Amino acid sequence: GAGVSQSPRYKVAKRGQDVALRCDPISGHVSLFWYQQALGQGPEFLTYFQNEAQLDKSGLPSDRFFAERPEGSVSTLKIQRTQQEDSAVYLCASSVQGVSPYNEQFFGPGTRLTVL
Amino acid sequence: DAKTTQPNSMESNEEEPVHLPCNHSTISGTDYIHWYRQLPSQGPEYVIHGLTSNVNNRMASLAIAEDRKSSTLILHRATLRDAAVYYCILRVPPGKAAGNKLTFGGGTRVLVKP
Repeated sequence: GAGVSQSPRYKVAKRGQDVALRCDPISGHVSLFWYQQALGQGPEFLTYFQNEAQLDKSGLPSDRFFAERPEGSVSTLKIQRTQQEDSAVYLCASSVQGVSPYNEQFFGPGTRLTVL
Repeated sequence: DAKTTQPNSMESNEEEPVHLPCNHSTISGTDYIHWYRQLPSQGPEYVIHGLTSNVNNRMASLAIAEDRKSSTLILHRATLRDAAVYYCILRVPPGKAAGNKLTFGGGTRVLVKP
């Protein structure tokens, strides 16, 4: 069946530009997560949605980062006024529900953002 | 939050077993031990999880020490496709908001030699 998809797969932005990264979770998955992975590092949590509600945004590094999931399915991560330190792979994951430690998260392939 | 410690890298020969250690000496009694792996240029994927007892599935086995301060992921016969970064992750019990997210460390990079 279809997994988590992300678009675009690669994005090059000039410093100061705004970017929008899209995530299509697995159909019916209630929970959606965004992670940031710098080169050579493990992924780091950014934010979490349960349906359309953003329940945890403690990992967003600055107010330039904004995420939404208005209808409880597709999510968009927006980065305003991109900086070079924003260069990373942005991973989206979804799960059936997020409140149990049993529920595995299914990850998309990521969007590689390069800020010049 | 309890932390995990893993070796940076390990090498194995194809079709031989691989034992990946993880230390989590500050684990709480209700933390679950999860393993994910990340193949090159892909997102992480779930491998296995456990609480106290050893666990087996089609991908791997998880051996948990009696005091739960360490665990070992066992790949019984490594293939070239198993070359990846393996992450040992502790997850808090349900009902706590922190349990929703995965906290990755640096992981162990596994190289499988043909």
